[in-house]
Amino acid sequence: QKEVEQNSGPLSVPEGAIASLNCTYSDRVSQSFFWYRQYSGKSPELIMSIYSNGDKEDGRFTAQLNKASQYVSLLIRDSQPSDSATYLCAVNGGGGKLIFGQGTELSVKP
Amino acid sequence: DAGVIQSPRHEVTEMGQEVTLRCKPISGHDYLFWYRQTMMRGLELLIYFNNNVPIDDSGMPEDRFSAKMPNASFSTLKIQPSEPRDSAVYFCASSWTGRTGELFFGEGSRLTVL
Repeated sequence: QKEVEQNSGPLSVPEGAIASLNCTYSDRVSQSFFWYRQYSGKSPELIMSIYSNGDKEDGRFTAQLNKASQYVSLLIRDSQPSDSATYLCAVNGGGGKLIFGQGTELSVKP
Repeated sequence: DAGVIQSPRHEVTEMGQEVTLRCKPISGHDYLFWYRQTMMRGLELLIYFNNNVPIDDSGMPEDRFSAKMPNASFSTLKIQPSEPRDSAVYFCASSWTGRTGELFFGEGSRLTVL
């Protein structure tokens, strides 16, 4: 089993819809979780970090963490074509080591 | 701040040649990471440093790969000899102790080995 798993997609949603991206991880002791966005041909950039169970909201983005289920999700409300990118889930593996999932490609259709 | 600076941005070389990739982290950051990204394997952690000391190099594919960080503002990743399967985008990223998972990535070095 991979340490961090994501559906590769592509996930296609219409403009204005909610996009839901999911991630599971295998290490129960992981304490911090992150979502990065990567546009085609560019480097990853951090968009959300979450450290405790529950929801964390930042503008149109909501990260959800359920440690008991080892599950992290990212919701994007009112999706825009500019949100089209690959979204990478990352888990802190201890000692500063950050492990990334394969990424989910999101396409928002106008 | 200028952000993480990598060079070269693109490198095309022939199999068997030595390749050296360079990285300047953000000033004040004490963690430096080298990742490799391919379509097949995604973003793989190769090695990371804390305060210039290598902490975990378990992701380095084989002895052909080596990395150094002689000071807080410079790191190199060297491949010798290079092989076609090393073709990938190599990213350097940095962070600091208070927020180790919040990485700042450089623009990457795209390596093509013919």
